[in-house]
Amino acid sequence: GAGVSQTPSNKVTEKGKYVELRCDPISGHTALYWYRQSLGQGPEFLIYFQGTGAADDSGLPNDRFFAVRPEGSVSTLKIQRTERGDSAVYLCASSLLRGGTDTQYFGPGTRLTVL
Amino acid sequence: SQQGEEDPQALSIQEGENATMNCSYKTSINNLQWYRQNSGRGLVHLILIRSNEREKHSGRLRVTLDTSKKSSSLLITASRAADTASYFCATDRNYGQNFVFGPGTRLSVLP
Repeated sequence: GAGVSQTPSNKVTEKGKYVELRCDPISGHTALYWYRQSLGQGPEFLIYFQGTGAADDSGLPNDRFFAVRPEGSVSTLKIQRTERGDSAVYLCASSLLRGGTDTQYFGPGTRLTVL
Repeated sequence: SQQGEEDPQALSIQEGENATMNCSYKTSINNLQWYRQNSGRGLVHLILIRSNEREKHSGRLRVTLDTSKKSSSLLITASRAADTASYFCATDRNYGQNFVFGPGTRLSVLP
């Protein structure tokens, strides 16, 4: 079956612009995670959805970052007033149940470059 | 701060040799998972070990967990060039919430 997909695969934007990153999880997976990964580092947790609600958004770095999952499936990560430090690969993962007790399946990521 | 720390940061071995990577963590966990990542994209799940388990096997992979020492190890036996990748441990502190990855071990398997 289809895995987790993310669009776009690459996004180049200018400092100060707004971007949206999309994640399509595996059908039927209730849990969805967003991570950010910088070069040479492990993925950094951003936010975790259980269904439509954000069960834990403690990893969002500041109020410029926001994520939604209105129908409990597709999720969008939104970044306002982008800064050069936001450049990273943004990874999405989904799991059938809670991610800690269940395998997380990762998408290929979106590489965001802020000029 | 990161929960898990892998050791070593980088490891280079010859094909056919065994590779051992270690992960230490700071607080109590429910589960610990190991992932592999090629070329900086797309993590692949390898093994999940629960806090009440001590050892698990999957093919050429063997994972141990010592909750008293707050550490885990990943052993890859009879390594292949295709095993070249970064390996991460990840811990779950609260049933999926705030899932935390370590910085990873970069494994190079030379043909």
